[in-house]
Amino acid sequence: GAVVSQHPSWVICKSGTSVKIECRSLDFQATTMFWYRQFPKQSLMLMATSNEGSKATYEQGVEKDKFLINHASLTLSTLTVTSAHPEDSSFYICSARGGKGIAEAFFGQGTRLTVV
Amino acid sequence: AQTVTQSQPEMSVQEAETVTLSCTYDTSENNYYLFWYKQPPSRQMILVIRQEAYKQQNATENRFSVNFQKAAKSFSLKISDSQLGDTAMYFCALGNQGGKLIFGQGTELSVKP
Repeated sequence: GAVVSQHPSWVICKSGTSVKIECRSLDFQATTMFWYRQFPKQSLMLMATSNEGSKATYEQGVEKDKFLINHASLTLSTLTVTSAHPEDSSFYICSARGGKGIAEAFFGQGTRLTVV
Repeated sequence: AQTVTQSQPEMSVQEAETVTLSCTYDTSENNYYLFWYKQPPSRQMILVIRQEAYKQQNATENRFSVNFQKAAKSFSLKISDSQLGDTAMYFCALGNQGGKLIFGQGTELSVKP
């Protein structure tokens, strides 16, 4: 199957700083990438959908100025958590979808963010 | 609005036995996909099985099979000959043509030796 790599696997940052998480599709071109957030023992909640070369579409309740998403190429999307606070601590997972006709999305390994 | 409901927060099964995880969903779309994902302690999401809504035949992947009841909007997962490595969180998900997924709350499955 297709491989999606997410980096870093874990990160600790200080309150008020920003942190960037990368999501790369290694062996296919991802026209669309998705960012999810997962709290402990809970489900994955879709945060936003990013399409290469256009602005991301955010789900209701997700602050677009806080969670900046850039999908600059067909193989890379980034999520930047700006001015992080302890309540932003969570597990962030990306997934990437290939071209038309491919409904399946492939997941990265996730990033555990801890804000201290 | 699209919703996915998993009504079993936790399940347990003896090794080599069979277990069924329940999932119901709601959508107004005609073309959609249903998935079961496994999330082990590593938290990597692993696709277990997928079903296209337009297909009447239930999907099967080795020990994993589904019971897809489109009219009832039900999509249960049956795991046969359960193995210790099947212990994980299982998520049912509803997807559209664009790849966007809506997940259920998850069922934590424990396989006991």
